[in-house]
Amino acid sequence: AQKVTQAQTEISVVEKEDVTLDCVYETRDTTYYLFWYKQPPSGELVFLIRRNSFDEQNEISGRYSWNFQKSTSSFNFTITASQVVDSAVYFCALSELGRDDKIIFGKGTRLHILP
Amino acid sequence: SQTIHQWPATLVQPVGSPLSLECTVEGTSNPNLYWYRQAAGRGLQLLFYSVGIGQISSEVPQNLSASRPQDRQFILSSKKLLLSDSGFYLCAWSVTGIEAFFGQGTRLTVV
Repeated sequence: AQKVTQAQTEISVVEKEDVTLDCVYETRDTTYYLFWYKQPPSGELVFLIRRNSFDEQNEISGRYSWNFQKSTSSFNFTITASQVVDSAVYFCALSELGRDDKIIFGKGTRLHILP
Repeated sequence: SQTIHQWPATLVQPVGSPLSLECTVEGTSNPNLYWYRQAAGRGLQLLFYSVGIGQISSEVPQNLSASRPQDRQFILSSKKLLLSDSGFYLCAWSVTGIEAFFGQGTRLTVV
């Protein structure tokens, strides 16, 4: 069955430190998408990245990077040189294409960046 | 470009009253539509999703129902609200499950 686990409930780091948010997923399908979303205090979910199951290439976007490893069913998110504006709840999500188009989210990790 | 509208932004309703939350999408056709609930400021729980008009899949047995009367309209309803229905409700759309784009959400407080 589809499942997304974000074991880290809450993380606090001091500004400029690097931080990694973990995401482990379960799926029966070979074709699927993984996502990360950011939820700032305003509540709206902001899409950050999409990765399909056939593309294990890591991605970097500015201070953000994502490490996708099918062997361990993980899709981790690293913020380098964190800033206070990175404080938010971050969600990892999974969609199994061709099955039912559901998008299942993990419980989220609340990240506090301390000045 | 595509946009999603969700209203109202906040709502305070007494226990036992009905509920109707509406979501509409513009700029796309035949989107997948989703209702999620976030309780206590945390995890996103999928409540309903729809891949077409009149097609509703329910994920969690509960006091709520959903309907899709038009291609780009998704409605979340309840006949009688419970205290446990309080939460942050988010509507989203996607193209065949490839990333979801969210509305701004409705914060519902049942008193």
